[in-house]
Amino acid sequence: QKEVEQDPGPLSVPEGAIVSLNCTYSNSAFQYFMWYRQYSRKGPELLMYTYSSGNKEDGRFTAQVDKSSKYISLFIRDSQPSDSATYLCAMSKMDSNYQLIWGAGTKLIIKP
Amino acid sequence: GAGVSQTPSNKVTEKGKYVELRCDPISGHTALYWYRQSLGQGPEFLIYFQGTGAADDSGLPNDRFFAVRPEGSVSTLKIQRTERGDSAVYLCASSRTVNGDGYTFGSGTRLTVV
Repeated sequence: QKEVEQDPGPLSVPEGAIVSLNCTYSNSAFQYFMWYRQYSRKGPELLMYTYSSGNKEDGRFTAQVDKSSKYISLFIRDSQPSDSATYLCAMSKMDSNYQLIWGAGTKLIIKP
Repeated sequence: GAGVSQTPSNKVTEKGKYVELRCDPISGHTALYWYRQSLGQGPEFLIYFQGTGAADDSGLPNDRFFAVRPEGSVSTLKIQRTERGDSAVYLCASSRTVNGDGYTFGSGTRLTVV
């Protein structure tokens, strides 16, 4: 079993919808949680960074971490066709916060 | 430079050959990382440099893989006796601080071993 599980999708939603993306993990040592966006043939780009449990909002994006359930989420409001990409969750431990452990990514398609 | 530059963007090589992949990090970034991303998967950690030294090379899959960063800037990932299973996108990232939130990734080198 992988340390980080993520549904590969694809997830297809109409423009303007609220998108919910999720990851589960098994290692309780993870303390830092990130969401990256990756366009085709590009490197991942950091969207959200959260330490421990709680919510964080940045524009149309909201990240949630529930450490008790080992579950993290990314919400995208007012989704746009330009949001179409693969979204990867990543996490790291306190003693090795440089080393990211990744989910496989969810492919998101926003239909105009 | 403005971003992390990786060359070549694509590399096709025959099984058994030697390849070198280059990463030019953002100027002033002391930390540099190599990851490998197979099709449909998330990146896997290979090695982390702090300055010129490899601070953690625990992700290198075997002794065919080696990486250097002799002057604390440009890094080269070297793969000997390539195998078809080495085919993947090799991503490089750099950061100013040793922190997961400071990564900037390059676009990667797509390696195909035939």
